[in-house]
Amino acid sequence: RKEVEQDPGPFNVPEGATVAFNCTYSNSASQSFFWYRQDCRKEPKLLMSVYSSGNEDGRFTAQLNRASQYISLLIRDSKLSDSATYLCVPSFQKLVFGTGTRLLVSP
Amino acid sequence: EAQVTQNPRYLITVTGKKLTVTCSQNMNHEYMSWYRQDPGLGLRQIYYSMNVEVTDKGDVPEGYKVSRKEKRNFPLILESPSPNQTSLYFCASSFTQAGELFFGEGSRLTVL
Repeated sequence: RKEVEQDPGPFNVPEGATVAFNCTYSNSASQSFFWYRQDCRKEPKLLMSVYSSGNEDGRFTAQLNRASQYISLLIRDSKLSDSATYLCVPSFQKLVFGTGTRLLVSP
Repeated sequence: EAQVTQNPRYLITVTGKKLTVTCSQNMNHEYMSWYRQDPGLGLRQIYYSMNVEVTDKGDVPEGYKVSRKEKRNFPLILESPSPNQTSLYFCASSFTQAGELFFGEGSRLTVL
């Protein structure tokens, strides 16, 4: 079983739509969780950390379900600039990167 | 400006010709790491360093060497590159091994 599993997509959505990604991780000892964003051929950048109680940053909401070992990311009111690949990253002693979910937002 | 700088950004080379990709960070981070990214495989860790003179293998270390003589620098060395090392390489740094990673802009390497 892969350490981190994500639907590769692409998710094609119109501007203004709400879209959600899920990710499952295999290591139950993972202690920290992150979502990174990666634009085509560019370096990954931290989008947000994921806290046990769930957290929100503007249009982005992250949730963690430790019992089921999954993390979710919800994007509301999608913008063209949200088009990117979103990497799920649990951490236990080191960060483990998922292969990412590609999002394409169209006009 | 806080950053991780890697060079070269693009390189085409031939099998067996030794090359070094440099990486430097100005954030006083103790932890540094190298990754390669290939389609469908995501980011895979090559080597990492917890501090000066402390390096260790990641998930795919074969064919690579690293050194950490100074805190800010962490070069990646390919002693005898082969075509299967054609990839996009990222250097990253962080205060801790499990904390937010800051990435360089990437080095696209092609080995013919």
